[in-house]
Amino acid sequence: RKEVEQDPGPFNVPEGATVAFNCTYSNSASQSFFWYRQDCRKEPKLLMSVYSSGNEDGRFTAQLNRASQYISLLIRDSKLSDSATYLCVVNSHRGGSYIPTFGRGTSLIVHP
Amino acid sequence: NAGVTQTPKFRILKIGQSMTLQCTQDMNHNYMYWYRQDPGMGLKLIYYSVGAGITDKGEVPNGYNVSRSTTEDFPLRLELAAPSQTSVYFCASSYSELAGEGNEQFFGPGTRLTVL
Repeated sequence: RKEVEQDPGPFNVPEGATVAFNCTYSNSASQSFFWYRQDCRKEPKLLMSVYSSGNEDGRFTAQLNRASQYISLLIRDSKLSDSATYLCVVNSHRGGSYIPTFGRGTSLIVHP
Repeated sequence: NAGVTQTPKFRILKIGQSMTLQCTQDMNHNYMYWYRQDPGMGLKLIYYSVGAGITDKGEVPNGYNVSRSTTEDFPLRLELAAPSQTSVYFCASSYSELAGEGNEQFFGPGTRLTVL
């Protein structure tokens, strides 16, 4: 089983739709979790951290389920500008440091 | 405040050639990372550093070397380029250890390397 798994998609949704992505991780000792956004041929940029209690930032909601070892990202009222790849990142303690592991990303296409 | 900068943006190498990918950050971050991203895939950690003079291997270190003589710079060296090293390379930095909620990484714009 891969350490961090995401459905690559693409998820093709109309403007205004609600879309949700999941990301599963295999290391139960994983410590912190993030969603990054990556536009085509650009570097990843932080979208939001995922807090244990769940957190919301405008149209975006992130949740963590430690028991089932997954994190989720919900996007409400999708905009054309939300089209991008969403990368799940899990940080785990290994060899004295916290090491980040990236999922392969989920592609979102929002159409008019 | 330029953040994380990388040079060059693009490079084509012949098999067996060597090169150094440069990475500099001006945020006084202790932690720095090198990743490679192959098409349609996530980022894989090559090497990381927790401070000047300290480096450690990531998931895919073979064929690469790094050094960290200053807080600002973290160059990545390819000694004998192979076609399997064709990829996009990203450098990143973070203020603190990635242990807690909210500790984000800041990425450079990437270097696109092709080995022919």
